[in-house]
Amino acid sequence: NAGVTQTPKFQVLKTGQSMTLQCAQDMNHNSMYWYRQDPGMGLRLIYYSASEGTTDKGEVPNGYNVSRLNKREFSLRLESAAPSQTSVYFCASSEYTGGAFFEQYFGPGTRLTVT
Amino acid sequence: GEDVEQSLFLSVREGDSSVINCTYTDSSSTYLYWYKQEPGAGLQLLTYIFSNMDMKQDQRLTVLLNKKDKHLSLRIADTQTGDSAIYFCAVMDTGRRALTFGSGTRLQVQP
Repeated sequence: NAGVTQTPKFQVLKTGQSMTLQCAQDMNHNSMYWYRQDPGMGLRLIYYSASEGTTDKGEVPNGYNVSRLNKREFSLRLESAAPSQTSVYFCASSEYTGGAFFEQYFGPGTRLTVT
Repeated sequence: GEDVEQSLFLSVREGDSSVINCTYTDSSSTYLYWYKQEPGAGLQLLTYIFSNMDMKQDQRLTVLLNKKDKHLSLRIADTQTGDSAIYFCAVMDTGRRALTFGSGTRLQVQP
C-alpha cells in the first residue's frame, strides 16, 4: 500500500517548456487535489477533482491544466512554464463521505524549478 | 474564502514547551486540523479537534480552541529535536471539499 505517489521528484524546466506531473493513489479515494507550496504562503489549491470525471479550479489555477485519468490518477500539466511556477507541488487524496471528519493524504512532492 | 494565518517561525530549546498559534476567519469547519511536514516530505495529519471542544490532549500534544476569537493553538510539551518541522493548521473548505491551510510555522528546536 504505497498511498499517494508522485513523479518526478525533481524537475528543471526552461521558460516556455511543457511538462506533466503525475499522481496516483491506491486508497480508492474519490477526491484528488493539486497544491503548490511556496515559502511563507502555505499550500494553495490549484485544482481538485471531487470524483472521477470531474475537475474544478482552486485558488490559483492560471497556467495549469489537469486530467483525472481514472479513479487512481490525477495529472497536472504546465503548458508553457514560467519562472513564477517554480514551487513544490503536492498531490493529495481523500475520501469525502459527507461526514464531518476529513483527512487528506499527501504525496512526497515534486520540486520544480523553471529557469 | 477562508483565511488562515500563522506566524512563520518559532525557535525553542530542547525540553521546553512550544506553542504554535493560528487564527481563522470562517467558523463553519466542524473539525480543525494540525498537519506536520518534515524536511523534504509531504504533509501528515498530526492531530485535530472537534469544533465543540475547547481542548484536546494527545500525549505530548495539546490543542486549544477559542471559537469566540477564532484562535487555535498547538502546544508540544518537552519538545525534542525530532519535532523540528513545519506545522500547518487547516480548516475545511466545505464548498471545495478541500482543506485550506495556513502559511505554516517552522519550528526549530535547539539542542
